[in-house]
Amino acid sequence: RKEVEQDPGPFNVPEGATVAFNCTYSNSASQSFFWYRQDCRKEPKLLMSVYSSGNEDGRFTAQLNRASQYISLLIRDSKLSDSATYLCVVSQGAQKLVFGQGTRLTINP
Amino acid sequence: DAGITQSPRHKVTETGTPVTLRCHQTENHRYMYWYRQDPGHGLRLIHYSYGVKDTDKGEVSDGYSVSRSKTEDFLLTLESATSSQTSVYFCATAKGGTSVVGEQFFGPGTRLTVL
Repeated sequence: RKEVEQDPGPFNVPEGATVAFNCTYSNSASQSFFWYRQDCRKEPKLLMSVYSSGNEDGRFTAQLNRASQYISLLIRDSKLSDSATYLCVVSQGAQKLVFGQGTRLTINP
Repeated sequence: DAGITQSPRHKVTETGTPVTLRCHQTENHRYMYWYRQDPGHGLRLIHYSYGVKDTDKGEVSDGYSVSRSKTEDFLLTLESATSSQTSVYFCATAKGGTSVVGEQFFGPGTRLTVL
């Protein structure tokens, strides 16, 4: 079983729609949680951290459920520029990260 | 963004040849990492370094070695390349210390093809 599992998609949604991704992790000792974004043929970049209380950054909302060991990302009012692969990432400390395989999102005009 | 460069950016080589990939950073970050990215697997950690001359294995270290003789450079060597090592290789850095755990900065990647 992979340590971090994501639905690989692809998700194809119209511009302006709301889209949500989930991710599950297997190690209950995981300490920190993140979403990274990776554009086609580019390097990953940190999108946002995920806190137990949930957090929001503009149109993006991240939630963490430690009891069920899942993380979610909600994108509201999606834009064409949101098209990318979204990577769910978990840290078990010591500055080491475990990446999910990513969920590919395409926003259609 | 952290100044991270990788060289070469593209390489085609033959099975059995040695290959060295270089990662160079200008941000004085303590931690450096080598990942490979393959379809269906996502990013997997090969080796990482937590300081000069301090390195450790990641989840897919077999067939790879690393060296870090200076803060700014982290080398990844494939001693004898195999076709299964065809992949995109990313270098990353992290500040360490009290910085945000989990914020890693990635280089642009190296596409390696082993024929």
